[in-house]
Amino acid sequence: DAKTTQPNSMESNEEEPVHLPCNHSTISGTDYIHWYRQLPSQGPEYVIHGLTSNVNNRMASLAIAEDRKSSTLILHRATLRDAAVYYCILVIYNQGGKLIFGQGTELSVKP
Amino acid sequence: DTEVTQTPKHLVMGMTNKKSLKCEQHMGHRAMYWYKQKAKKPPELMFVYSYEKLSINESVPSRFSPECPNSSLLNLHLHALQPEDSALYLCASSQWPKRDRDSYEQYFGPGTRLTVT
Repeated sequence: DAKTTQPNSMESNEEEPVHLPCNHSTISGTDYIHWYRQLPSQGPEYVIHGLTSNVNNRMASLAIAEDRKSSTLILHRATLRDAAVYYCILVIYNQGGKLIFGQGTELSVKP
Repeated sequence: DTEVTQTPKHLVMGMTNKKSLKCEQHMGHRAMYWYKQKAKKPPELMFVYSYEKLSINESVPSRFSPECPNSSLLNLHLHALQPEDSALYLCASSQWPKRDRDSYEQYFGPGTRLTVT
């Protein structure tokens, strides 16, 4: 299964932007990049996904490197409610959306 | 309605018991998933169902038996579990890719916290 590498933890200040990096050097041309987050005591929550182009939605932006070997999840203004574990996952299109979670990045947000 | 519901929220069972976990969604999704999550670890995929048929079994022991009786419902039957099976069991659903280049987000339930004594 394709592998991603993320920092174990990051800190941010409230109302500042946060850039969460992910390396996926073994990505193949048909793998999608998905991001999920898991707040304490909750199930994972979808954040965003993309294939080649940068993507924006109401929660975040996803910046994908031109060679697709890395990506960055951008939270434009962190709030205390954004404190969670963020998972970057490669999804292989012909495996029915199978998610293989890595260790993720634990984001803490300071007021 | 973008909710996936799971019952019960908590379950304590002995090693000789038989119990079932239930998951339900009404989003018309034809893919449903079971994951297991131990404390401080990421979720691990157990099973994938597409159109009510089992399509992926990640080498899960037979004491876990999934069932998809209809497109909205997913069960996980538990029998003769071990204490190390204590974990949070998560259910998720999504659209099933119709074309080679499709990819869809998964919607997760809150999980059932299982304790095996």
